[in-house]
Amino acid sequence: NAGVTQTPKFQVLKTGQSMTLQCAQDMNHEYMSWYRQDPGMGLRLIHYSVGAGITDQGEVPNGYNVSRSTTEDFPLRLLSAAPSQTSVYFCASSYSRADEHEQYFGPGTRLTVT
Amino acid sequence: GNSVTQMEGPVTLSEEAFLTINCTYTATGYPSLFWYVQYPGEGLQLLLKATKADDKGSNKGFEATYRKETTSFHLEKGSVQVSDSAVYFCALRASGSARQLTFGSGTQLTVLP
Repeated sequence: NAGVTQTPKFQVLKTGQSMTLQCAQDMNHEYMSWYRQDPGMGLRLIHYSVGAGITDQGEVPNGYNVSRSTTEDFPLRLLSAAPSQTSVYFCASSYSRADEHEQYFGPGTRLTVT
Repeated sequence: GNSVTQMEGPVTLSEEAFLTINCTYTATGYPSLFWYVQYPGEGLQLLLKATKADDKGSNKGFEATYRKETTSFHLEKGSVQVSDSAVYFCALRASGSARQLTFGSGTQLTVLP
């Protein structure tokens, strides 16, 4: 199993550009989520999905879109990048949100918006 | 709302020293509590968890006890190693239908040989 994979590892965007951060998992997990990690703030939930075709907003959803057309993939779209979106983005997946099912994190995408 | 407060870092210790990283939480109901570790350049990994009051989670020599009376989940290790250098995050998962993870701000630990 590759686990949770994310691409790209690094990205630099100009303000106003759009892009998609890719996330895939090969563990047949139903639950997937996107977090952003900022210094001194821990991880904050952007969007999550409890299964194919079902998504919902987390704590900081503004400026981001998601879709879940397959169980494996959960891309995160930045519609019009802003410097405030400079961050490290982590995708995570788990079998469910039950406590006995560990959440697995990808290696992260470091995004800089100039 | 739910929140997690961790002791401010960074923490620097010598090898074989005793480690405590404090974590307190605010939540309604009966949350589950977690410690995650992030090694340089990697994603977070679950270190240990406790799902009810007085439970003790343990893994790789680390321990934490779920104390409902003090709303705390402090991380301890009796003798740290250089390989324990990482960022440690305390987190809670609230009870109820949403059950999202809420993270603390993280504590950077550096262990010197």
